[in-house]
Amino acid sequence: AQSVTQLDSQVPVFEEAPVELRCNYSSSVSVYLFWYVQYPNQGLQLLLKYLSGSTLVKGINGFEAEFNKSQTSFHLRKPSVHISDTAEYFCAVSDRAGGGSEKLVFGKGTKLTVNP
Amino acid sequence: NAGVTQTPKFQVLKTGQSMTLQCAQDMNHEYMSWYRQDPGMGLRLIHYSVGAGITDQGEVPNGYNVSRSTTEDFPLRLLSAAPSQTSVYFCASSRRDSPLHFGNGTRLTVT
Repeated sequence: AQSVTQLDSQVPVFEEAPVELRCNYSSSVSVYLFWYVQYPNQGLQLLLKYLSGSTLVKGINGFEAEFNKSQTSFHLRKPSVHISDTAEYFCAVSDRAGGGSEKLVFGKGTKLTVNP
Repeated sequence: NAGVTQTPKFQVLKTGQSMTLQCAQDMNHEYMSWYRQDPGMGLRLIHYSVGAGITDQGEVPNGYNVSRSTTEDFPLRLLSAAPSQTSVYFCASSRRDSPLHFGNGTRLTVT
């Protein structure tokens, strides 16, 4: 069965600093990976996804992630964060061959706090 | 275009009461699902549906029922609420190979 481990539950950083949120996965089928963001009191929004092709995936709001098959990782990065990036970030893997979103397995989340 | 609409936003129940959390989407998505979010646990899949008349269990289905009589609606029923069901519930929908669209959640407290 698929599983996702987010290695940090909380990450505090200063504004304009770079950030990396770590995610490791295990999967018994072809790998389809996602990062979602949740702002306070809202639902989740898709940041980016990896289905196939280039291992470097660019998403919204300046975020990018790199798929590393040998290390079974899908870390999220941003070179310079803003106060508005303060949110909780979730890594997820599809539990469906073909990358269908109807059955995602989520990690426990990483709370990113950007301080002035 | 409303997207995914969940009602109510907040609900307090007593142990043993029943209720239905409503979820509707207007994007003609085939897939709909229910997740619960608990602190430090991430989101866990309760039930999902790949089309009208078809539902299946997720990771934590016990204590919950669902049905999908139309493409638009996917209600979640709690038959006898328990304090362990205190959580934030999210409904989501998608097309095949497209990202999930989430509602804004229902915060449920069971006393």
